[in-house]
Amino acid sequence: KAGVTQTPRYLIKTRGQQVTLSCSPISGHRSVSWYQQTPGQGLQFLFEYFSETQRNKGNFPGRFSGRQFSNSRSEMNVSTLELGDSALYLCASSSTVNTEAFFGQGTRLTVV
Amino acid sequence: AQRVTQPEKLLSVFKGAPVELKCNYSYSGSPELFWYVQYSRQRLQLLLRHISRESIKGFTADLNKGETSFHLKKPFAQEEDSAMYYCALRMIKAAGNKLTFGGGTRVLVKP
Repeated sequence: KAGVTQTPRYLIKTRGQQVTLSCSPISGHRSVSWYQQTPGQGLQFLFEYFSETQRNKGNFPGRFSGRQFSNSRSEMNVSTLELGDSALYLCASSSTVNTEAFFGQGTRLTVV
Repeated sequence: AQRVTQPEKLLSVFKGAPVELKCNYSYSGSPELFWYVQYSRQRLQLLLRHISRESIKGFTADLNKGETSFHLKKPFAQEEDSAMYYCALRMIKAAGNKLTFGGGTRVLVKP
């Protein structure tokens, strides 16, 4: 079956702009989590959605937001981009709770 | 708050030598521990979870609650083991799939 798909793979944005990243989970998976990966901070949890509801949230400013649709696809949005938002953003899907997380290839965001 | 620490950023070993990647965690509740691996140009994937207690690709890891550790071991390293390894923790009783990751250890297996 198809894995977790993230689009786009690469993005270059200007400081102050906003960006939307997309994640399509594995078919049948209802949980989608987002992580930010940077050389300095490593992998940090952003938030998790399950059946269209945000279930967990990490320690990121309100500029980072997300949502999940009825087909389990998820988007995350970052407004008023800062240089420090440059990172690889990973999406992971799981079938339910406490099950294996499958990761996408990530979206590499560069803010200039 | 939970925390995962991987003290080694880089481990360089020769093929056929044993390799051990250290992972320590802090969490007051019942944790579930994982090892994830990322090979070059591939996505992050699950290698081991402590509840399954199985050996994958020759790797084993034992959860030591007394020492709050979950070290990953392989008796004979192979060149294809060269990759980035992440230890991760999930809170068993918490609702959700949030993973807390360590900083990662890069393993380089030399021929």
